[in-house]
Amino acid sequence: DAGVTQSPTHLIKTRGQQVTLRCSPKSGHDTVSWYQQALGQGPQFIFQYYEEEERQRGNFPDRFSGHQFPNYSSELNVNALLLGDSALYLCASSFITGIKTYEQYFGPGTRLTVT
Amino acid sequence: AQSVTQLGSHVSVSEGALVLLRCNYSSSVPPYLFWYVQYPNQGLQLLLKYTTGATLVKGINGFEAEFKKSETSFHLTKPSAHMSDAAEYFCAVSDDFGNEKLTFGTGTRLTIIP
Repeated sequence: DAGVTQSPTHLIKTRGQQVTLRCSPKSGHDTVSWYQQALGQGPQFIFQYYEEEERQRGNFPDRFSGHQFPNYSSELNVNALLLGDSALYLCASSFITGIKTYEQYFGPGTRLTVT
Repeated sequence: AQSVTQLGSHVSVSEGALVLLRCNYSSSVPPYLFWYVQYPNQGLQLLLKYTTGATLVKGINGFEAEFKKSETSFHLTKPSAHMSDAAEYFCAVSDDFGNEKLTFGTGTRLTIIP
């Protein structure tokens, strides 16, 4: 059973560019959350998708947007990249419908470097 | 708003010694509490969680944590440290029964001294 997968592993972009990160949830999971982890910091919640809708959002600007597909996979898009967007972006999946386990399974992350 | 404070950004213990990583939380409603571990260049792995019920929670790899409401604490312990425990540990809180948004602390890097 594959866990949460993310692509690409690493990415280097230039300021002002746009980037798309991808996430496939653990089999059987219906919800995807995205987190940003800056160097030396704990992860910060960006937003969560369920049933192809943004369900909850953290304190991130509109430059950060996302999408969830019918197969539950998700994309995170960041426009007009800033140097401060350099971070590890983590995807987590969970199963909201039904019996709640309150467990989120994290992927290995995508390391984004903005130069 | 919820918040988590992890006391000690770096903790060093000798192999075989007690591991104690501190976490204090702030929440206006009964919290759900979690400890995650992150090995270099990897994602987060859930060690243990407290939702309801017994306040002493046992997790994987011999770790356990005790929820103390009066002290707003959820400290992580392991009786005997192993070299493989060297990693970054994050405490997190959620007070949402459905959305599961996690608020993380800044992490504690655990170093094991041979």
